[in-house]
Amino acid sequence: GNSVTQMEGPVTLSEEAFLTINCTYTATGYPSLFWYVQYPGEGLQLLLKATKADDKGSNKGFEATYRKETTSFHLEKGSVQVSDSAVYFCALTFVSNTGNQFYFGTGTSLTVIP
Amino acid sequence: ETGVTQSPTHLIKTRGQQVTLRCSSQSGHNTVSWYQQALGQGPQFIFQYYREEENGRGNFPPRFSGLQFPNYSSELNVNALELDDSALYLCASSLQLAGYQETQYFGPGTRLLVL
Repeated sequence: GNSVTQMEGPVTLSEEAFLTINCTYTATGYPSLFWYVQYPGEGLQLLLKATKADDKGSNKGFEATYRKETTSFHLEKGSVQVSDSAVYFCALTFVSNTGNQFYFGTGTSLTVIP
Repeated sequence: ETGVTQSPTHLIKTRGQQVTLRCSSQSGHNTVSWYQQALGQGPQFIFQYYREEENGRGNFPPRFSGLQFPNYSSELNVNALELDDSALYLCASSLQLAGYQETQYFGPGTRLLVL
């Protein structure tokens, strides 16, 4: 079946550390891949996306590359800030014969300490 | 530009009851998706409505049903509530054109507690 598996948290990093949050997926067809972020007290919002293999999504210093050969979409940031503390969700969407389908991972909580 | 709004913010029901949750989509959007998010989990897709028709459904039983209105707002109805239905229900709106769906914008959610 279709699914998204992401690295379990919580993750705690010091400011300016390098961040990687792993995400792998299983999907039929050709999914689009996303990272969403939920800051404390706020709703889910799109962080970045990639719609086809080898695409790189980027935003706010975060990057993720759509790797079809390893079915992965790992999130990276070279130097995290305290303001990056949030819960991060990997997600995919594809069009099935009955319409759109969406799958989210379980979320990874990141805390950045000064 | 008005964002996605949901009502009510919180709700308490008892087992066996029925509940209706409401969502107003962002201006200019024609598609609404509903998700269930249990505590500590990621959102699970319930269904999507595009131009008043269901356009995709996740693995939820028929007692979860929905509607989309001509102004693109939407309702989620859940019949015969069970304890496991306790969760945060999220609505997301987006613009869909020629089969391509643009970015989803999420509302703040309705927290449902079933006793």
